[in-house]
Amino acid sequence: DAKTTQPPSMDCAEGRAANLPCNHSTISGNEYVYWYRQIHSQGPQYIIHGLKNNETNEMASLIITEDRKSSTLILPHATLRDTAVYYCIVRGYQAGTALIFGKGTTLSVSS
Amino acid sequence: DTAVSQTPKYLVTQMGNDKSIKCEQNLGHDTMYWYKQDSKKFLKIMFSYNNKELIINETVPNRFSPKSPDKAHLNLHINSLELGDSAVYFCASSPGATGELFFGEGSRLTVL
Repeated sequence: DAKTTQPPSMDCAEGRAANLPCNHSTISGNEYVYWYRQIHSQGPQYIIHGLKNNETNEMASLIITEDRKSSTLILPHATLRDTAVYYCIVRGYQAGTALIFGKGTTLSVSS
Repeated sequence: DTAVSQTPKYLVTQMGNDKSIKCEQNLGHDTMYWYKQDSKKFLKIMFSYNNKELIINETVPNRFSPKSPDKAHLNLHINSLELGDSAVYFCASSPGATGELFFGEGSRLTVL
């Protein structure tokens, strides 16, 4: 079973920031937080990951609370193409370890 | 060039048949995976291979047999297809221990 909890759906206006929350209260010290998204029926796409520090890349920012029990993925300027299912996943750092996908959050971006 | 490619993209077949889905990655990754996404859109891990060695073999019927002839390929063979096998199957690869997986576009299997 997935070790994260996410809201089933969220809405966002185009051009605004989308803040997607995730709870992972049972995360272990050596587990990372990963975010993926799946647009329509395409293959899941990696977005970002982090251990305890905040991370930023060209797609998004990841804010992890100090106790590491929750995190927020931020898409700074959402576009219609960001409409997708977003998955928050915790995973250890070991070769071959699978990503366990939960139900994710369906983000709908509208104009 | 496509990083992770799967063939065929669509497959329609009759119950009881045997079929294979092929996966190739040109990223030089050591680890490859098969995931199944059913009609309810849940993504479930089936297998993972690291350097051609089977690492994960989830509770998948033994009608499903993965084969990794080399690090760049992980094929999925399915015997005696059943209606419940209808799903989209995703192949993925990753470098070493990282959880940054690169997914293929999926192979949609329909069993009639």
